[in-house]
Amino acid sequence: DAKTTQPTSMDCAEGRAANLPCNHSTISGNEYVYWYRQIHSQGPQYIIHGLKNNETNEMASLIITEDRKSSTLILPHATLRDTAVYYCIVEYNNDMRFGAGTRLTVKP
Amino acid sequence: ETGVTQTPRHLVMGMTNKKSLKCEQHLGHNAMYWYKQSAKKPLELMFVYNFKEQTENNSVPSRFSPECPNSSHLFLHLHTLQPEDSALYLCASSQDGAGGPWNEQFFGPGTRLTVL
Repeated sequence: DAKTTQPTSMDCAEGRAANLPCNHSTISGNEYVYWYRQIHSQGPQYIIHGLKNNETNEMASLIITEDRKSSTLILPHATLRDTAVYYCIVEYNNDMRFGAGTRLTVKP
Repeated sequence: ETGVTQTPRHLVMGMTNKKSLKCEQHLGHNAMYWYKQSAKKPLELMFVYNFKEQTENNSVPSRFSPECPNSSHLFLHLHTLQPEDSALYLCASSQDGAGGPWNEQFFGPGTRLTVL
């Protein structure tokens, strides 16, 4: 079973920030938080990952709470092409468990 | 383009057929994976190969047989499949199979398999 809980779906207006939450209350000290997304009929695409500190790359930012029990993926300026299913995964020792994810719909 | 290619992209086969799915990665990675994605279900990890050695088999039926001849190629041999095996089969690779900070996985586009 996936070790994370995400909302089933979210909407976001084009050009606005999309904030996708993830709960991982049973995360252990060695487990990383990974985010992937899957655009319809394509393979999943890596977005970002982190352990304790907040992370930022060209695609997104990852905010991890101090107790590490939850995190938020931020797409700063969502576009229509960001419409996808977003997966939050906690991983250690190569045990990658995908849950149902959040279906993000970016609307014009 | 992720550097991971899969062929064929679509496959229709009967329950008595034998077919193979091919995956190739051009990233110099040492770990490769097979996943299954059925309709409206999460991705399921099937097999993991690390440095050509199988390190994980998630209770996959024997009608699915993986083969990893080298670190760049991964096959999934299929025989006597059932209609419920119809799914999207995804291949992925990562730098190595140790997990942790280096487990960013690069996925191929998948093979859409239909078993009649």
